[in-house]
Amino acid sequence: KNQVEQSPQSLIILEGKNCTLQCNYTVSPFSNLRWYKQDTGRGPVSLTIMTFSENTKSNGRYTATLDADTKQSSLHITASQLSDSASYICVVSDRGSTLGRLYFGRGTQLTVWP
Amino acid sequence: EADIYQTPRYLVIGTGKKITLECSQTMGHDKMYWYQQDPGMELHLIHYSYGVNSTEKGDLSSESTVSRIRTEHFPLTLESARPSHTSQYLCASSESGPSSYEQYFGPGTRLTVT
Repeated sequence: KNQVEQSPQSLIILEGKNCTLQCNYTVSPFSNLRWYKQDTGRGPVSLTIMTFSENTKSNGRYTATLDADTKQSSLHITASQLSDSASYICVVSDRGSTLGRLYFGRGTQLTVWP
Repeated sequence: EADIYQTPRYLVIGTGKKITLECSQTMGHDKMYWYQQDPGMELHLIHYSYGVNSTEKGDLSSESTVSRIRTEHFPLTLESARPSHTSQYLCASSESGPSSYEQYFGPGTRLTVT
């Protein structure tokens, strides 16, 4: 069964600190892995997309890593800001269909305190 | 920011009423999607479309229906709302082509059926 598991479920950090969010997946055949940021009451917004051959990708203070062999990914946030408070969702796409079906994790709820 | 819009943003309605959730995009994308998301849970695909006059059911069974008469519009209809339909509904769109193409999400409609 294709699944995406994220940890931790929730995380509280102080402003300025770094944090790392984890994602494990069993989706096969693998096409790409995405990290989305979802603010409360809003739709998800893409942070990074990585294909099989990419090990790391950065977007400002966000850096995603991918280990396709162990089927693990992480999202590292540096120098956190209050605006980083949101749910971070790991999404894996398969290449078994023309639709490119997306499998969503439940997200890690990050809260940044001043 | 993606040019994909959803109306209404919030809707509270009584049981048995017919409702239509609107979704429109100005990016000319062929593919469009409807997802359902409960608090703290992952997004589930309920409908998708490859283009005009194309609609398919997603992974999660839903009593809703969709239509795609125009490229830019992808409305979702519930003929008779029930409390079990209470959820957040997210619309998304993407270009045709490889599954690595980005999905852009609308802000969502929070539906409450009393």
